[in-house]
Amino acid sequence: DTEVTQTPKHLVMGMTNKKSLKCEQHMGHRAMYWYKQKAKKPPELMFVYSYEKLSINESVPSRFSPECPNSSLLNLHLHALQPEDSALYLCASSQEGLTIFEAEAFFGQGTRLTVV
Amino acid sequence: AQSVTQPDIHITVSEGASLELRCNYSYGATPYLFWYVQSPGQGLQLLLKYFSGDTLVQGIKGFEAEFKRSQSSFNLRKPSVHWSDAAEYFCAVGSYGGATNKLIFGTGTLLAVQP
Repeated sequence: DTEVTQTPKHLVMGMTNKKSLKCEQHMGHRAMYWYKQKAKKPPELMFVYSYEKLSINESVPSRFSPECPNSSLLNLHLHALQPEDSALYLCASSQEGLTIFEAEAFFGQGTRLTVV
Repeated sequence: AQSVTQPDIHITVSEGASLELRCNYSYGATPYLFWYVQSPGQGLQLLLKYFSGDTLVQGIKGFEAEFKRSQSSFNLRKPSVHWSDAAEYFCAVGSYGGATNKLIFGTGTLLAVQP
């Protein structure tokens, strides 16, 4: 199994809503990532978890709250988002303990988020 | 700071023609370089990667890339393009910093394939 599964595939939410994005992998990877990708732009790193601990937060606004409940799951909790937060949110995972670049990063298909 | 430049925003080639997508990087040491492909509305798939050794790297789907240190380039090539290759292609460099390394992506090249 070399898949990273993201749910839901599409999400429309109001600015006062609370929602969560979910990411799951069963490859035994211990590094997991959230990326944000606006239309026609490259992915931008948001968060990195290493061994279930947050290791990188790229100065992401607090309305985005990541959570890594176990080594296979990564969540992104959303609250009070703005329309400009509409984007494709990508999850990825890779081995850890090795240099990351000796290990491939596997990406999910993303969640297309629209904030209205 | 590490950076990646993809000079071509959009390229159109005819099916069966050869392809070269350009990528230039800025990095102080030996870089770790990657090419990813993204079909519309999809995630990213790794085509190939370069860490060290042979400067010509073979990837999936018939792609290859050549690392040229003197030119700070890592161009992606394919001898004969298929219609299914139409997608966005991202070059990326590995960046060291903090507890975990991360990828820095270029702005992407959108490939269109004409029949």
